[in-house]
Parts: sequence; C-alpha cells; structure tokens
Amino acid sequence: SQTIHQWPATLVQPVGSPLSLECTVEGTSNPNLYWYRQAAGRGLQLLFYSVGIGQISSEVPQNLSASRPQDRQFILSSKKLLLSDSGFYLCAWRLGLTDTQYFGPGTRLTVL
Amino acid sequence: LAKTTQPISMDSYEGQEVNITCSHNNIATNDYITWYQQFPSQGPRFIIQGYKTKVTNEVASLFIPADRKSSTLSLPRVSLSDTAVYYCLVGPNDYKLSFGAGTTVTVRA
Repeated sequence: SQTIHQWPATLVQPVGSPLSLECTVEGTSNPNLYWYRQAAGRGLQLLFYSVGIGQISSEVPQNLSASRPQDRQFILSSKKLLLSDSGFYLCAWRLGLTDTQYFGPGTRLTVL
Repeated sequence: LAKTTQPISMDSYEGQEVNITCSHNNIATNDYITWYQQFPSQGPRFIIQGYKTKVTNEVASLFIPADRKSSTLSLPRVSLSDTAVYYCLVGPNDYKLSFGAGTTVTVRA
C-alpha cells in the first residue's frame, strides 16, 4: 500500500532563517506531487505541484521554492523565512487526473 | 478549473442528516465532482466522487442533478466525530487541484 511521510511534524523557526521540509511517498511510481499551505482557520493554498523529476510549477510567487530530486521525494525550501510563512504545510500525491489525492500528516511551522 | 461555491458553515445535531450543496455552474464535460473531509491538524481525506446521478458509499451519498451545475453531499445520522471542514472540488482538467475555503460542519450533542 502507498504511504506518504512528512517531516518534521512541527517546527519553530526565527524570521530570516532557512527552511527545508521533506515529503516522501512509498508504494507508487511517477506520482503527481503537491505542496499546500493552510493558515489558521483558512482553506488550503496550493503552492507548488510537480508532474515529474525536476519539473516544478509554482502557483504563488513568494520566498518559497520546491524541488523534486527523486521520483518520490518533494522538498519545500526557503532561504529566509517571513512571519507570514507560518502555517500548516501539507504534501499530497496522486497518480492520474481523475484519481484521489492523498495527503501527508503535515508540518506545523511557526515563524517567530 | 470550475469555480465552486459552498456555504461557509453549517450546524447540526447528532443523529441528523447533513446536506451540503455545492454550486459549480461552469462545470466542464470531463469534470468529476469530489468531496474531501478535513479534521483539525490533519490533511484532507477523500470522501466520495461522482460524475452524474447518485453515488453512495459507507460514509456518504453524493447527489448530482442532470445539468451537473450543483451537487449535494449527504451525511446520514451525523455524530460528533463528523465535525470537520468539507471541501467540494470540481475537475480535474488540469494537473492542479485547488481547495477553496470549504464548509465547516459543527455537530452538537
């Protein structure tokens, strides 16, 4: 069966510090991968999606970036965090355009 | 992507049926309608998906009229544990899958 992992589960970082969140998927190949952010009490904001290794599409221009170095690995990064980067970050995967999207457990990021 | 409109919030009591209607007037021919459920501090999880008429599973039913411009998620006999945010998505005709604000359903004892 397929599983999706995210780490760390929680993170507290000072403003201006770098960020690296990792997501890995097991039990499937060639998934479409997604990064979302959810601010407190808000809906999900799509940040990035990837249809293959090295292929990243950005939905929100900001100080975040994403990379996909391996088929089942998706990384979210920032060189300098802002207070507004605080939120709940979710990684998700799915296979085809009509398939269910599966979410990871999420990372709670607090920028102080 | 087809735009969706759903109520911001709904209140209910245990044992009642909850119906959440989602409007999607510009749904495309190849679009599916999918509903997700999200509990606090968790990622959304798939509930049900349909294209037309009625779909039922162990969790919910989805009613889609012939014109497909709206859909209704029906949760039978809700319990306190059904308190969550419910998202209606229409698509995909793209690799993107965007979630709106959803409907916050609060079930009271």
